[in-house]
Amino acid sequence: SAVISQKPSRDICQRGTSLTIQCQVDSQVTMMFWYRQQPGQSLTLIATANQGSEATYESGFVIDKFPISRPNLTFSTLTVSNMSPEDSSIYLCSAGLPSRGYTFGSGTRLTVV
Amino acid sequence: GQQVMQIPQYQHVQEGEDFTTYCNSSTTLSNIQWYKQRPGGHPVFLIQLVKSGEVKKQKRLTFQFGEAKKNSSLHITATQTTDVGTYFCAGFNFGNEKLTFGTGTRLTIIP
Repeated sequence: SAVISQKPSRDICQRGTSLTIQCQVDSQVTMMFWYRQQPGQSLTLIATANQGSEATYESGFVIDKFPISRPNLTFSTLTVSNMSPEDSSIYLCSAGLPSRGYTFGSGTRLTVV
Repeated sequence: GQQVMQIPQYQHVQEGEDFTTYCNSSTTLSNIQWYKQRPGGHPVFLIQLVKSGEVKKQKRLTFQFGEAKKNSSLHITATQTTDVGTYFCAGFNFGNEKLTFGTGTRLTIIP
C-alpha cells in the first residue's frame, strides 16, 4: 500500500492567515482525498482531488476557503484560507484504491488563535 | 446523503473480555472497510468486506458484512491493551466513488 508523507504535523496560526498542507505519496495514485477530523470525532470528507482537473468539494466546503492543488499523480496540497478559530482541527490526506483500502497521512493538527 | 452509524460510541472492557462494535448504513454499500485509529494517530486500514454475508478473520478480530450489505460488525476476542483505539467502519459506493466513515467506537481497556 502507498506511503504518504504529510506536513506540517502541527501548526499554530493567527486568524485571518492561510496555511498550506502538503501530502507526498510514494507511488502514483489517481485520486487523493482530504478530510477534517475534530478531536474525538469521525472523519469528514472535504474534497476529492484528481490530477489534471478541479477538485470536487463536499457539501459545506468551498474552493475559496479550501483551495486544493494536484499538480501530479504523487502530490497534493490543501490550503486553509482566511482562518478562524472554527478551522482548528486535524486535517488528513488519503490515497488508495476502493478495492484495497486507503492509506492516510499522519495528519496536520491546526490551532487557530 | 449516506449516513453510517456505529454503536456503541464508547466501550470500556476489562483486559481479556470480548468487544463488539456494530455499523449500520442508511444505504446499500458496494463494500465496507474497517479502520483503527490509535490515540494521537491516523486511521489505519484493517480490512475490506465485499460480498453479502462475508466473514473474515484476522487473528482475534472477526469482521462480518450483513446479507443486505447495509450493516457490519467487528468482534475482538480476548482484548489486549494493544487493541486500544477508535474503530471506524467506512462504507464505499462505486456509484459515487465515496467513502463515508462511521461515527466510530472508542475502545478503552482496563488492565
